[in-house]
This record gives sequence, structure tokens and C-alpha cells, in this order.
Amino acid sequence: GDSVTQMEGPVTLSEEAFLTINCTYTATGYPSLFWYVQYPGEGLQLLLKATKADDKGSNKGFEATYRKETTSFHLEKGSVQVSDSAVYFCALSPSYSSASKIIFGSGTRLSIRP
Amino acid sequence: NAGVMQNPRHLVRRRGQEARLRCSPMKGHSHVYWYRQLPEEGLKFMVYLQKENIIDESGMPKERFSAEFPKEGPSILRIQQVVRGDSAAYFCASSQQDRGGEKLFFGSGTQLSVL
Repeated sequence: GDSVTQMEGPVTLSEEAFLTINCTYTATGYPSLFWYVQYPGEGLQLLLKATKADDKGSNKGFEATYRKETTSFHLEKGSVQVSDSAVYFCALSPSYSSASKIIFGSGTRLSIRP
Repeated sequence: NAGVMQNPRHLVRRRGQEARLRCSPMKGHSHVYWYRQLPEEGLKFMVYLQKENIIDESGMPKERFSAEFPKEGPSILRIQQVVRGDSAAYFCASSQQDRGGEKLFFGSGTQLSVL
């Protein structure tokens, strides 16, 4: 069945460092891919998405490119801030399907030190 | 416009007791989804409801677990005779239409601890 594998955490970086959180997936067809972020004490929020191969999703300085050849959707940011400290979830949704079919990765906790 | 509200934030139960988790969707949202997150794992789908109807309960254990979304009031996830393995974070999400992950809004979750 479909699955998502993401980089284990926790990841600790200094402010202004470059960030990469790896995410790979297995799926039939052409799923949509997402990154969600969960700030302390809050629910998950959609950070960015990509719906087809070679699409690049971006938001708040974060980027991820849908790579079908490597089945990956790695999250990157050029210069992280303390306010980026959160848990990041990679997820996929089969094409045109219900939210009940979303598959989430296990999450990566990111801590940024000043 | 208030977001998805879940309560309580933390719930402690002894083995054998009942747990009731509440979720009020965003205003105007008629689709509600419940997910469970076990330690070190991703969120796993449990049940999808649309006002007064269960649409998909394929992720919910057949015994001890039930869910409802009445015409008036919040959605309730009910766990009877809790066991230690039920300890987890339970998240609710709502949407205006069932459109995958794009228009899904999550609550802050209920952390259930079973002693």
C-alpha cells in the first residue's frame, strides 16, 4: 500500500542554518504531496503542497519539489529562524480522493537554537 | 472565525473507564475526520463523519470505539473500557468539502493517557 517515510528527528540547527528534511513515498498513480507543520500547542497546519511531478510548493521561505523519478518531496529552507521550531509532517493524498485517505509520515521535530 | 476546537486538551483515565473526546468543527464545515497519533508514529485515519452520518470508519477499531456527529453540537469520539494501548494524541480535522489534504483544518488535539 501507499506509504510515506520521513527523516527521523529530532533535528537541531543554529539560526540561519540551511534546513533539509527528507521525505520519500511509495504510491500508485499520481498522488498529491503535502508538508504540514505543528507548532507547540497547536494543530497541524498546511505549509505547502504539490499536485503533480516537478511542481514546487513554497511558503514562508520553505520549498519542496515533487520528484517522481526519486519518489521524493524533501523540505528545504535556506535560513531557519527560532520561530521555525516545530514538528513537520510529510503526507500524501491519492489523486482526487477523500481526506480519509491521507497518509502521514511520523513527523520530524525541528529545534532551532539562537 | 474560530478554528477547530477540541476538548479536553489532556485527559487521564484509568483502565476500564470511558473516554469522551469532543471536536467542534470550524463554522460552516460539515465534514469531520478523526486521526490518532501513537508515540513516534504519524497520524492514522480513524473515522470520517458528515452531519449525522458515518461516511468511512475503516480506520477505527471495531470494538470499544464509536463516533458521532449529531445535527447539533460537537462530534464525539468515545472509547469504552480504555486500555493502556489507547494512550495517544487524538486529532480532529474539519473541512467544507471532502477535497483531500488541501482544505483540511486541524484542532490542537486531545492527549489521552491511560493509567
